Amino acid sequence: DAGVIQSPRHEVTEMGQEVTLRCKPISGHDYLFWYRQTMMRGLELLIYFNNNVPIDDSGMPEDRFSAKMPNASFSTLKIQPSEPRDSAVYFCASSNRRVGSTGELFFGEGSRLTVL
Amino acid sequence: QQQVKQSPQSLIVQKGGISIINCAYENTAFDYFPWYQQFPGKGPALLIAIRPDVSEKKEGRFTISFNKSAKQFSLHIMDSQPGDSATYFCAAGPDKTSYDKVIFGPGTSLSVIP
Repeated sequence: DAGVIQSPRHEVTEMGQEVTLRCKPISGHDYLFWYRQTMMRGLELLIYFNNNVPIDDSGMPEDRFSAKMPNASFSTLKIQPSEPRDSAVYFCASSNRRVGSTGELFFGEGSRLTVL
Repeated sequence: QQQVKQSPQSLIVQKGGISIINCAYENTAFDYFPWYQQFPGKGPALLIAIRPDVSEKKEGRFTISFNKSAKQFSLHIMDSQPGDSATYFCAAGPDKTSYDKVIFGPGTSLSVIP
């Protein structure tokens, strides 16, 4: 079975440019999470969806970040305009159960973003 | 109160030795404690998990020990192998706002040298 698929795997862009990261969750999973990983801050939850509806976006750092899930098989995380401090690895994860109870997060391989 | 503390930040162990990673928490409402393993260039993956009604859980060479009164739990890797070299994250759930989320510790980078 295919796991969580993320694209692009690597993105290098210049400050001020728009960045769009994409995610295809595991089929049948109704939870989708976007995490950001940096050395300084570890794994940060940015936003998560349940049944394509955004439930909690309190981790989104600022208005420059936005996320959508137009259907059960696709989600995007957009940064506009991008800044050097956004450089990080962005992970998408999905789950078919409540992760804080007994559920398991299935992570993609991540999108490494470098903003020059 | 939501924080999960993890130590050490990095760990170097000889092949065949025991790797021990410790985590601590304050929130007594936590009742699910998973560990995730992350290899370089990959996303984290669930390794093993425990609930507070048991003091120990073993899966192969990996064991979680849980001390509810001390609010601490640890991961022991017996007979550590170079292939175990990875970053390990402890976590706790549920988040105070939702059963949909867990809180991750900062991670421990383990290197097992031959």
